[in-house]
Amino acid sequence: KQEVTQIPAALSVPEGENLVLNCSFTDSAIYNLQWFRQDPGKGLTSLLLIQSSQREQTSGRLNASLDKSSGRSTLYIAASQPGDSATYLCAVRQISGYSGGGADGLTFGKGTHLIIQP
Amino acid sequence: DAGVIQSPRHEVTEMGQEVTLRCKPISGHNSLFWYRQTMMRGLELLIYFNNNVPIDDSGMPEDRFSAKMPNASFSTLKIQPSEPRDSAVYFCASSPGLVADTQYFGPGTRLTVL
Repeated sequence: KQEVTQIPAALSVPEGENLVLNCSFTDSAIYNLQWFRQDPGKGLTSLLLIQSSQREQTSGRLNASLDKSSGRSTLYIAASQPGDSATYLCAVRQISGYSGGGADGLTFGKGTHLIIQP
Repeated sequence: DAGVIQSPRHEVTEMGQEVTLRCKPISGHNSLFWYRQTMMRGLELLIYFNNNVPIDDSGMPEDRFSAKMPNASFSTLKIQPSEPRDSAVYFCASSPGLVADTQYFGPGTRLTVL
């Protein structure tokens, strides 16, 4: 069974710092890996999606990398801002075991709770 | 597009009552997913549908839980009878249907069972 682990569970840094969030997964048979942001009491917002054949994806100040063979991904946030404060979730989409092919739903880590101090 | 729509946003009920959560996926999306989020277990997949057909319900915790998707624009998750340990935030998500696609999440339904 796929397990996704995120380290650290919580992080507090001053505004302006660059930071790295880590995600690891136990089964490398994945279609893709996705990073989400969740604000308190809200739903999930997709930040970056990396297909299994890709090594990284970038969007603005965010950069996500994927090393499928070692079961690791990192989310790099440059020049952090107070508005970046949220919980960041990593999720992998498993290759389905059912005969129709395709992919299963997402398996999530428990997230990193990030606080950017003004 | 309005995004994934869930109702109600909040539900408070008493133990033993039936609870029905509703979801309207993004128009044109062929895959729909139900997730549950708790502090202890995080986000867990309960069930997902592809073209209105349930594909994998192995995440449904007990027979008290059931989900239906009668058409491409509507799905329900029902708990009968509800128990306090069912208290959680329930999310619905949809995706266009291809394996490479992003999943788009609704705002969630916060369920409290007293």
